This record gives sequence, structure tokens and C-alpha cells, in this order.
Amino acid sequence: KAGVTQTPRYLIKTRGQQVTLSCSPISGHRSVSWYQQTPGQGLQFLFEYFSETQRNKGNFPGRFSGRQFSNSRSEMNVSTLELGDSALYLCASSFGEKNEKLFFGSGTQLSVL
Amino acid sequence: GNSVTQMEGPVTLSEEAFLTINCTYTATGYPSLFWYVQYPGEGLQLLLKATKADDKGSNKGFEATYRKETTSFHLEKGSVQVSDSAVYFCALITGSARQLTFGSGTQLTVLP
Repeated sequence: KAGVTQTPRYLIKTRGQQVTLSCSPISGHRSVSWYQQTPGQGLQFLFEYFSETQRNKGNFPGRFSGRQFSNSRSEMNVSTLELGDSALYLCASSFGEKNEKLFFGSGTQLSVL
Repeated sequence: GNSVTQMEGPVTLSEEAFLTINCTYTATGYPSLFWYVQYPGEGLQLLLKATKADDKGSNKGFEATYRKETTSFHLEKGSVQVSDSAVYFCALITGSARQLTFGSGTQLTVLP
């Protein structure tokens, strides 16, 4: 069974640009969550989708958005990139609604120059 | 709100030494508790979990007991190996939040 797949693995952008990250969950999983990981702030929750609906959102500005498709694949978008957006973005999926067993992808390392 | 306080790292041990990484939490309601591990260049992997007070989670020689009275979930291993070198994260989730709250992570290095 394939794991959670995130693409691209690495990304370099400049300030002001926008970026889209992709996540394919484990087959059969309907919940997808996104986390930002930085050395200074650690792991912070961005948002969570279940059956195409955003159920929960973390404390991030509106420049951060996401969506989930009918096949459970998810994308997150960051517009007007800032230097502080440089981070490892992790996607996680789970089968049920409770998110008690999350499976993480390897992440997308975003560098903003 | 929910929060997790984790032992500051980095921790450096010799192979076969005893490991303890402290974790305490604050939560509304009755959380489920987790330890995740992150190897270099990879995402997080669930190491073990406990869903109610006095439960003991265990996996690959690691153990942690859910202590409600001290709001703690300390990670232990009796004899660490070089391959255990990684970053360890304590985390919790509550039913209403449906999102993991993580500690800051503890870098463990095991020397041969």
C-alpha cells in the first residue's frame, strides 16, 4: 500500500510569488491535514479536510489556503510568499474522522528567497 | 487551549544506555497522547500512543504511560541503539479539536 505522497519534494520561490503543494493520501483515507514545520516554531497545524470539507483551520493568515478533491487528494496554496514562509510543509492522512492515527508524508521543503 | 511541553534537547547517549524524554501536557477534555519520531529527511512516524489514563503504549522497545494525575507521558527505552537517533515529538489530540498539538521535539543522538 503506497504511503502519503507529497510533491514536489523541494521548491525554491522568491518573495511575492505564489506556490501550490500537492498531497496524495493513502488509498481509502478521507482526512487530510497540513502542518508547517520550522526550526523556530516547531510543528504548527494549518488546516484539515474531510470529504472535501475544511473542518478545522489553524492560526495562519488568509494567504494560506487549501482544498480537497473528490478523490481525497489535497492541495495547499500560499500566495504572496514571505521569507518567513520558508518551512517544511507536511501532509498527513487518516482513515476515519478522529485523526487518531496520522500517516505523514515526507514533506515539501519550501525555500523563499 | 492545548499545549505540550517537552524536554529540551539535544540528548546524546551511548549505545545501550537508558533513555527518558519527559513530556507534560495541558488539555481541555480527555486527550489521546502520542509519540512521533522523525528520521532525517523524512516525515513523522507514529511510534506509540495511549488513549486513556494508565494506558501504556509500547513499540520497538519504547514505552510511555499516560499519567493523568501528573499530566505526563514520558518516553522510555531501556537500551538505545544507534538507529534510534532521530527527533522525537510528544503530541496530543482532543475530540473537539481533531488536530495534533505537538511539543517542540527532542533531538536524540546515540553514539556507538
